[in-house]
Amino acid sequence: SQKIEQNSEALNIQEGKTATLTCNYTNYSPAYLQWYRQDPGRGPVFLLLIRENEKEKRKERLKVTFDTTLKQSLFHITASQPADSATYLCALDESDSWGKLQFGAGTQVVVTP
Amino acid sequence: DVKVTQSSRYLVKRTGEKVFLECVQDMDHENMFWYRQDPGLGLRLIYFSYDVKMKEKGDIPEGYSVSREKKERFSLILESASTNQTSMYLCASPTTGSLSTDTQYFGPGTRLTVL
Repeated sequence: SQKIEQNSEALNIQEGKTATLTCNYTNYSPAYLQWYRQDPGRGPVFLLLIRENEKEKRKERLKVTFDTTLKQSLFHITASQPADSATYLCALDESDSWGKLQFGAGTQVVVTP
Repeated sequence: DVKVTQSSRYLVKRTGEKVFLECVQDMDHENMFWYRQDPGLGLRLIYFSYDVKMKEKGDIPEGYSVSREKKERFSLILESASTNQTSMYLCASPTTGSLSTDTQYFGPGTRLTVL
């Protein structure tokens, strides 16, 4: 069966350090993978998209890698700040039609000063 | 700035009531989606629509229906609310519909409690 796995345990990290989140998937062949940020009681907000032929993507302090052989994406927040505290979701396209995405359950990040 | 709005942030209903959740997008997008989000389960697709009056079932459509009479508005209907439908409901609309860049814009969510 198809599955998207993200660490269910919260990631506690000190301000200034790099947070690294993992997204593993099975039985998918996504053309692209996306990362979203979600604050409590709010809808997810798009952060980054990386395509299957891209190894790495950066946006300010964020970096995403995509390894289609390992079926894994890593999401890095460098020089983390307390304002980065949120839940981060990965999402894969279903490659069928209509722009449907399958989401992981998300990993909570807590950055302490 | 793109915008997806939902009619209510919080809603409390009783078992058996008919519930309407409204979503409006101002981006002139063809596609609109309804998800529910529960702890540990992530977002699950209930229904989606790719055009006015067109709809498709998602992964968990049972107990729900939808209506899309106008392009900008997509309604989720709980025909007879049950306690297991207590959840956060999120409406989303992807970008232009290009199958290679379907970034989803989400509304703020409706926290529905069924008593």
